Amino acid sequence: DQQVKQNSPSLSVQEGRISILNCDYTNSMFDYFLWYKKYPAEGPTFLISISSIKDKNEDGRFTVFLNKSAKHLSLHIVPSQPGDSAVYFCAASSNTGNQFYFGTGTSLTVIP
Amino acid sequence: GAVVSQHPSRVICKSGTSVKIECRSLDFQATTMFWYRQFPKQSLMLMATSNEGSKATYEQGVEKDKFLINHASLTLSTLTVTSAHPEDSSFYICSIFLPSNYGYTFGSGTRLTVV
Repeated sequence: DQQVKQNSPSLSVQEGRISILNCDYTNSMFDYFLWYKKYPAEGPTFLISISSIKDKNEDGRFTVFLNKSAKHLSLHIVPSQPGDSAVYFCAASSNTGNQFYFGTGTSLTVIP
Repeated sequence: GAVVSQHPSRVICKSGTSVKIECRSLDFQATTMFWYRQFPKQSLMLMATSNEGSKATYEQGVEKDKFLINHASLTLSTLTVTSAHPEDSSFYICSIFLPSNYGYTFGSGTRLTVV
């Protein structure tokens, strides 16, 4: 059973607008969350993370929001750029860090 | 949705021994599986692409003789770390790509510690 879900397989956004990628999880023991970005024929690249003690983490154009009560996190990219077009994965782990659970990814296309 | 099962989730082994990690696709016949490695706070690095019935394709810098990959069936790929050294201690994770809406599905990973 998928413990981390990304229900939107794809998303298209106009350049300059905001991209919002969503991720839901079911395990309340998860306390560390990551977003990865993947270009074709490459491995996923770490983008940004957040621990459960925070509800927001910002790094340049990328902001991750965590809503623990809803078991939901989202990645905001603003302004979106064509180079942001990629597949984005969210992942979660518990404090042991021994296992990571990945979502199935959302393919983002930023239209020039 | 399809599930990828990876086993073991955690293993501690002595330096010089070999460790086998299994990746199973539980309800999908995967002709291709991907093996990744992650060092702490770093990105997942693609090690190799496992192809059912043929040789794996290794990424540059990955030793083929050290990281043996076998993909003998459509539902099972194994990664064997041979003659393990402490620097091989890492997090190893497998993945398959599913068509349509399932996208990439990852195993839950294996934490290898070589002492």
